[in-house]
Amino acid sequence: GEDVEQSLFLSVREGDSSVINCTYTDSSSTYLYWYKQEPGAGLQLLTYIFSNMDMKQDQRLTVLLNKKDKHLSLRIADTQTGDSAIYFCAETPFSGGYNKLIFGAGTRLAVHP
Amino acid sequence: EADIYQTPRYLVIGTGKKITLECSQTMGHDKMYWYQQDPGMELHLIHYSYGVNSTEKGDLSSESTVSRIRTEHFPLTLESARPSHTSQYLCASRGLPTNTEAFFGQGTRLTVV
Repeated sequence: GEDVEQSLFLSVREGDSSVINCTYTDSSSTYLYWYKQEPGAGLQLLTYIFSNMDMKQDQRLTVLLNKKDKHLSLRIADTQTGDSAIYFCAETPFSGGYNKLIFGAGTRLAVHP
Repeated sequence: EADIYQTPRYLVIGTGKKITLECSQTMGHDKMYWYQQDPGMELHLIHYSYGVNSTEKGDLSSESTVSRIRTEHFPLTLESARPSHTSQYLCASRGLPTNTEAFFGQGTRLTVV
């Protein structure tokens, strides 16, 4: 079955880099996503990576995909207080014909001065 | 800009009542999803649809039902609400042209008293 796992909390100092990790079980997932949820708000797509890529960079965000280990990470450079939020990893597994979208439990990022 | 709408945003209802949570999108997306999320917690997929007249149960067992008679509309119904149904319900859609990003509604916060 599908399962997406993340560590629940991460605390970083403002200006440092943050690395949020995720493991998933379905190696046939086509897309892997990072979503951000701020308090009281809906989910917003941050970035995604196609399964045939190893890395994707978008301004302060870097996504690394290790398909062999089924490991996905999100690095936020120069973390700011506005980055404090819950970050969700998600996959589109083969079961359900890639129509399902399964989320991890979310990592709560706290940025302190 | 995401064109996916959920109504109502907040609902307080008595035990035993029948309720329908509405979700509509104007992007012509074929895939739609319902998630249940307790505050600051994991998103659990409870239902999804990959087109008109297709509905599937998600990974979290739910007493709710859904229908997909029109592409743009994916309502969720609880025949007899109970306090254990108190939660936030998030609707999302995904589809062409990109078939990658899922757009989320603002959510319906349901309280059953």
